[in-house]
Amino acid sequence: AQTVTQSQPEMSVQEAETVTLSCTYDTSENNYYLFWYKQPPSRQMILVIRQEAYKQQNATENRFSVNFQKAAKSFSLKISDSQLGDTAMYFCAFMKPYNAGNMLTFGGGTRLMVKP
Amino acid sequence: GAGVSQSPRYKVAKRGQDVALRCDPISGHVSLFWYQQALGQGPEFLTYFQNEAQLDKSGLPSDRFFAERPEGSVSTLKIQRTQQEDSAVYLCASSLRGTGRSEQYFGPGTRLTVT
Repeated sequence: AQTVTQSQPEMSVQEAETVTLSCTYDTSENNYYLFWYKQPPSRQMILVIRQEAYKQQNATENRFSVNFQKAAKSFSLKISDSQLGDTAMYFCAFMKPYNAGNMLTFGGGTRLMVKP
Repeated sequence: GAGVSQSPRYKVAKRGQDVALRCDPISGHVSLFWYQQALGQGPEFLTYFQNEAQLDKSGLPSDRFFAERPEGSVSTLKIQRTQQEDSAVYLCASSLRGTGRSEQYFGPGTRLTVT
């Protein structure tokens, strides 16, 4: 079974600064997907960024980028130029692409607060 | 088009009551997932449908939990004889297909409180 660990329950950052959220995972699979999801106080989960394990290049989406270290089983999220709207819970998630259900396995989350 | 919708948004049930939670996925999405999110925790997988077929129900915590998607669209999660430990947010997600390349879109969730 896969496990996903987020060791930072809470973090804060000043507006316009950069913050990095940590995630580690454990799996025996070689091919898989990793995700970062954002859950604002309204509760609707939104996909932030996705990484395919077979791709060595780190994924980027505007101000969001990841540092994927496959050997270390580490998948951190960097948010640049933080904005007040980035305040939310952030969840790291793992998926086995060829599993029948393709369900997501989530970490416990990191609460990020962006301060003005 | 509309996203994933869930109803009710909030449900309070007395211990022992039965509840039914509804999920309307995005039209045309083949895959539908149910997750349970306890307070302050990450969501945990409950069950998965591909069209009307329930292909995985390994996450359902007990036989009091039952899910269906009879016509391959709307899904209902039913909890019988609710217990306090069932209090959580129940999230529904749908995806166009069932692969990692197909993004899962989440609904706003139903917050269930069992008193």
